[in-house]
Amino acid sequence: GQNIDQPTEMTATEGAIVQINCTYQTSGFNGLFWYQQHAGEAPTFLSYNVLDGLEEKGRFSSFLSRSKGYSYLLLKELQMKDSASYLCAGGKTTDSWGKLQFGAGTQVVVTP
Amino acid sequence: DGGITQSPKYLFRKEGQNVTLSCEQNLNHDAMYWYRQDPGQGLRLIYYSQIVNDFQKGDIAEGYSVSREKKESFPLTVTSAQKNPTAFYLCASSIDGAVLAGKINEQFFGPGTRLTVL
Repeated sequence: GQNIDQPTEMTATEGAIVQINCTYQTSGFNGLFWYQQHAGEAPTFLSYNVLDGLEEKGRFSSFLSRSKGYSYLLLKELQMKDSASYLCAGGKTTDSWGKLQFGAGTQVVVTP
Repeated sequence: DGGITQSPKYLFRKEGQNVTLSCEQNLNHDAMYWYRQDPGQGLRLIYYSQIVNDFQKGDIAEGYSVSREKKESFPLTVTSAQKNPTAFYLCASSIDGAVLAGKINEQFFGPGTRLTVL
């Protein structure tokens, strides 16, 4: 199979930094997506890494190592509104069409 | 305002009844998707459509059916054959599903429909 694994829950303090790891089997995926999902709401796109390395977007950064099947999402200067589930998704290509395979999500709890 | 709408937000049905969930987008996207989300599990792909009048089964298509008669609309029917239909259903769309220069287009999600079968 092509499982995507990420921790179930992480807790951090307001203002701190949290790193959410995501591992996947290296064959069959074309890049990694990160989405944020607040409870009962739609997932919203955060980042897409198709090449190795770190991409930074404000307080959020995402890293990918294709050879290691590893990605992480880094959240800096945590705010209470960052409490949400963070979904890692691998892009799968089949017959030149792309689909996403999602991990179970990591629930981040930000405490005062 | 462009976006994806799903209706209703909450839906209750009796066991054995078919129910149709609505998904509409005005983003002019070719590709549309239906996912199911259960507690503790990732989003699982039910059906997807790359273009009007075409759709393919995803990973968990049994007990579901779809149609794509218009570019803007991709309704999902949960049939009585679906053994455990209670879940949060999410519709998504992307510009298209093609892989260009090794990249996959991001998907935009609707607000979801929470279906409860009593």
